Amino acid sequence: DADVTQTPRNRITKTGKRIMLECSQTKGHDRMYWYRQDPGLGLRLIYYSFDVKDINKGEISDGYSVSRQAQAKFSLSLESAIPNQTALYFCATSEGTDTQYFGPGTRLTVL
Amino acid sequence: AQSVTQPDIHITVSEGASLELRCNYSYGATPYLFWYVQSPGQGLQLLLKYFSGDTLVQGIKGFEAEFKRSQSSFNLRKPSVHWSDAAEYFCAVGAFSGSARQLTFGSGTQLTVLP
Repeated sequence: DADVTQTPRNRITKTGKRIMLECSQTKGHDRMYWYRQDPGLGLRLIYYSFDVKDINKGEISDGYSVSRQAQAKFSLSLESAIPNQTALYFCATSEGTDTQYFGPGTRLTVL
Repeated sequence: AQSVTQPDIHITVSEGASLELRCNYSYGATPYLFWYVQSPGQGLQLLLKYFSGDTLVQGIKGFEAEFKRSQSSFNLRKPSVHWSDAAEYFCAVGAFSGSARQLTFGSGTQLTVLP
């Protein structure tokens, strides 16, 4: 079984809808991250969490919110989706400041 | 702020040929450097990392990278490319922000392997 899982893997939604992307990990890592990937731009950090009570904004947090429900679960929400949020979203985990391990990604399309 | 430049958007090589993917970084302190690979429809897999010590780092799948501080570079190499190496490759620099290490990624290099 994969160490970092993301659901759903693909999602198509409409402008203005609320959507949640979920990430779970079995690695026992304390830190979790959300990134988005756009063609030609690499990955950019949206939010990261040190533990359940510690959430931090990344480079591009506007229009997104997160929730760390447990050490193993970190969800990303788009309160009112817009077309320029169409992207590939990745969750990652790390133990402290060590290497980050990535999930398989969620492809989100906002029409 | 840190930054990473991957000057080659797309590289094409023949199977069996050698490969070098370029990565230049900008960071004011000693960098933590990474190479990740993304196969089609897959997440990112860590190939190798440099934290300190020997500047020539060995990774998985026969890849290696050399850290050159004087050139601010961390180029990825492989002596003989296999068709299964076709993928997108990302260089990243990890820099501390408070007590967190944040990764800054380059824009990626797409590798095509010809038979």
